Amino acid sequence: DAKTTQPNSMESNEEEPVHLPCNHSTISGTDYIHWYRQLPSQGPEYVIHGLTSNVNNRMASLAIAEDRKSSTLILHRATLRDAAVYYCILLYNNNDMRFGAGTRLTVKP
Amino acid sequence: EAQVTQNPRYLITVTGKKLTVTCSQNMNHEYMSWYRQDPGLGLRQIYYSMNVEVTDKGDVPEGYKVSRKEKRNFPLILESPSPNQTSLYFCASSLLRGNSPLHFGNGTRLTVT
Repeated sequence: DAKTTQPNSMESNEEEPVHLPCNHSTISGTDYIHWYRQLPSQGPEYVIHGLTSNVNNRMASLAIAEDRKSSTLILHRATLRDAAVYYCILLYNNNDMRFGAGTRLTVKP
Repeated sequence: EAQVTQNPRYLITVTGKKLTVTCSQNMNHEYMSWYRQDPGLGLRQIYYSMNVEVTDKGDVPEGYKVSRKEKRNFPLILESPSPNQTSLYFCASSLLRGNSPLHFGNGTRLTVT
């Protein structure tokens, strides 16, 4: 089983912020938290990752709980092109990368 | 351009006819992996390799073989394909550390009749 839990689906309005949650209660101290997204008919693409501190990049922000048992991917202004399945996974030494079903994000105009 | 290249993108074959799906990366990554994606089941890992000549089973290895003779290539081999192997396949690669992103290919859609 995947080591992360995410809601099956979420909806957002265009131009509004989106907060995608992920629970990872069994995370170990050396696990990095990675987020990927998969657009229709494409392979998954990297979004962001972090270890303990919150992270920002041009695509999104990652907020990590102080106990690291949960995290939130933040899309600051959702666009129609952000409609995708978002996966949260834990990576340590790359030999146990299990993807769950992810969260299907629908963005409404 | 840094990329993971899979071929072919689409493949239709018949039961029992051996096939190979190729995967190549140009980023000098140690780690490579194969996944299959089926509706409602997400991405499931088939095999992975942490370096040349080192391969290990993932969650669903039955019916598949892999080899890693060169760092850049990681072919997926179906010796005797069956209809239950009809799926969308993705190859991925990364540096061998937890803070290194996974890079995915564009996928191979395989249909076995």
